[in-house]
Amino acid sequence: AQKVTQAQTEISVVEKEDVTLDCVYETRDTTYYLFWYKQPPSGELVFLIRRNSFDEQNEISGRYSWNFQKSTSSFNFTITASQVVDSAVYFCALSDISGGSNYKLTFGKGTLLTVNP
Amino acid sequence: DTGVSQNPRHKITKRGQNVTFRCDPISEHNRLYWYRQTLGQGPEFLTYFQNEAQLEKSRLLSDRFSAERPKGSFSTLEIQRTEQGDSAMYLCASSLLMGQGAPGEKNYGYTFGSGTRLTVV
Repeated sequence: AQKVTQAQTEISVVEKEDVTLDCVYETRDTTYYLFWYKQPPSGELVFLIRRNSFDEQNEISGRYSWNFQKSTSSFNFTITASQVVDSAVYFCALSDISGGSNYKLTFGKGTLLTVNP
Repeated sequence: DTGVSQNPRHKITKRGQNVTFRCDPISEHNRLYWYRQTLGQGPEFLTYFQNEAQLEKSRLLSDRFSAERPKGSFSTLEIQRTEQGDSAMYLCASSLLMGQGAPGEKNYGYTFGSGTRLTVV
């Protein structure tokens, strides 16, 4: 069975601080995708990144960066110089992509990030 | 293309009533998923369609729940004899076969709708 753990339920920071959201996953599959989604108060899940299990390169997109470490089954997300607009719930998710998979997502419980001015 | 559309956005119903939600996926997406999200939790998988075929149903989907995707286009999720425990956000997502598309393209990951929030009173 797959499992995603986001140990941080809530994080509160002051604007311009850097913040890292942790994600640890469990899977027996050798090939899988990892995702991060942002859920603002409006409720829609906004896609941020997809990572393949065979690609451990870190990725940077503007103020966002992701650190994927297969050895520790972690896929952490860092926001640099946080802004009030970053306030949202962030979800880490896992999808099995082995043969016959339906690619359904297993989500963590989410981390509520509040960025205060 | 306006993304994944879900209607209604909000639904309040009395216990025991039937409700139906609709999801219109991105037109070229052949895969469609329903998820349920309760307060303080991440979304949980309910069911999956590839074109018009329903290929997987979660154990969360009791006999009171039924989903359809006629002609492989829009999908409906019906809950019969609603219970207070059914109160949740119901999310729909669509995608192409994973692996298609490139980073930055809209079809690279799953695209979620804004959800239908159900309150059973």
